[in-house]
Amino acid sequence: AQTVTQSQPEMSVQEAETVTLSCTYDTSESNYYLFWYKQPPSRQMILVIRQEAYKQQNATENRFSVNFQKAAKSFSLKISDSQLGDTAMYFCAFRKGDMRFGAGTRLTVKP
Amino acid sequence: SAVISQKPSRDICQRGTSLTIQCQVDSQVTMMFWYRQQPGQSLTLIATANQGSEATYESGFVIDKFPISRPNLTFSTLTVSNMSPEDSSIYLCSVERTENTEAFFGQGTRLTVV
Repeated sequence: AQTVTQSQPEMSVQEAETVTLSCTYDTSESNYYLFWYKQPPSRQMILVIRQEAYKQQNATENRFSVNFQKAAKSFSLKISDSQLGDTAMYFCAFRKGDMRFGAGTRLTVKP
Repeated sequence: SAVISQKPSRDICQRGTSLTIQCQVDSQVTMMFWYRQQPGQSLTLIATANQGSEATYESGFVIDKFPISRPNLTFSTLTVSNMSPEDSSIYLCSVERTENTEAFFGQGTRLTVV
């Protein structure tokens, strides 16, 4: 079974700075999808970024980018120019069939 | 993307009663999922709602406790039956348009059982 590990329960960053959230996963599959979701206090799960395992190029969405290391089974999220609105829980997720979520990282952006 | 309307957004219920949560999608989708998120924790898949057939439940979840309906390709309900305080959680509906790609979520139902 696939497992997803987020080793940082909480993190904080100053506004306008850069922060990296870690995620590792365990799978024997070669083709799969990886995602980062954001869950603000409103509870709405919002897709931040996605990565297809067969693509070597790291995905980027505006201030959000990933460092996908397939051999190491690592999928970290970098948030550049952090904004107060980035304060939320961030979940890493793996999909091959069912979607499996990590435990989450609570990110606080400080003014 | 998909627009998902989930109702109710929150409820406070007496133990022993049941609550039905509705999930409406703005267009037809193949796969619909129900998740539970206990306070301060991650999402756990309850079941996959299949149109025209019984839902597929994950280990630890049973149909008698969490009956699910999927009458068509845009709507599903999850019932939390015979509730106890341990059922207090956020329940989330999720859909995907294409198999094995990203999931889109409703805004969740915060359930408190007293």
